[in-house]
Amino acid sequence: KQEVTQIPAALSVPEGENLVLNCSFTDSAIYNLQWFRQDPGKGLTSLLLIQSSQREQTSGRLNASLDKSSGRSTLYIAASQPGDSATYLCVSRGNKLVFGAGTILRVKS
Amino acid sequence: DTGVSQNPRHKITKRGQNVTFRCDPISEHNRLYWYRQTLGQGPEFLTYFQNEAQLEKSRLLSDRFSAERPKGSFSTLEIQRTEQGDSAMYLCASSPDLLTQYFGPGTRLLVL
Repeated sequence: KQEVTQIPAALSVPEGENLVLNCSFTDSAIYNLQWFRQDPGKGLTSLLLIQSSQREQTSGRLNASLDKSSGRSTLYIAASQPGDSATYLCVSRGNKLVFGAGTILRVKS
Repeated sequence: DTGVSQNPRHKITKRGQNVTFRCDPISEHNRLYWYRQTLGQGPEFLTYFQNEAQLEKSRLLSDRFSAERPKGSFSTLEIQRTEQGDSAMYLCASSPDLLTQYFGPGTRLLVL
């Protein structure tokens, strides 16, 4: 059974810092790995999707990496802004979508 | 707005009552998913439709839960004889393929 773990559970940083969110998964037989952002009352927004054959994806200030062999993914956020404050969810797709519990990020102005 | 919509956004009910939630997916998406999210946890899969066919149900979906997608468009999730443990956010997502899912804003249920 796939288990997805996210570390840290919560993170508070001053504006402008670069930061890394970590995700680990137990079953490397995945089709892809996806990072979502969840804002209160607004559901989930897809940020980056990395196919199992890929190593990383980039979008603006976000970079996500995938290492299937070690069962790890990281989400790197450069030059963080208060608007980045949200919960970030890591999701593995095998036969099912399995979500991590999320990292609650707060960027202080 | 052509995204996934869910109604109601919030529901407060007393234990033992029945509740029904509705999800309207993005119109051209034939796949529809329901998830449940409790506080401090990620969403957990409940059930999946392809068009009107319910193809998969999680063991989380007890016999008090039923979901339908009668015409392959909108879907409803009904919970009968609600319990306090049913309090959660219920999320709906739709997808045109197997690659990604587009989520609605969710229905937050509180059972008193």
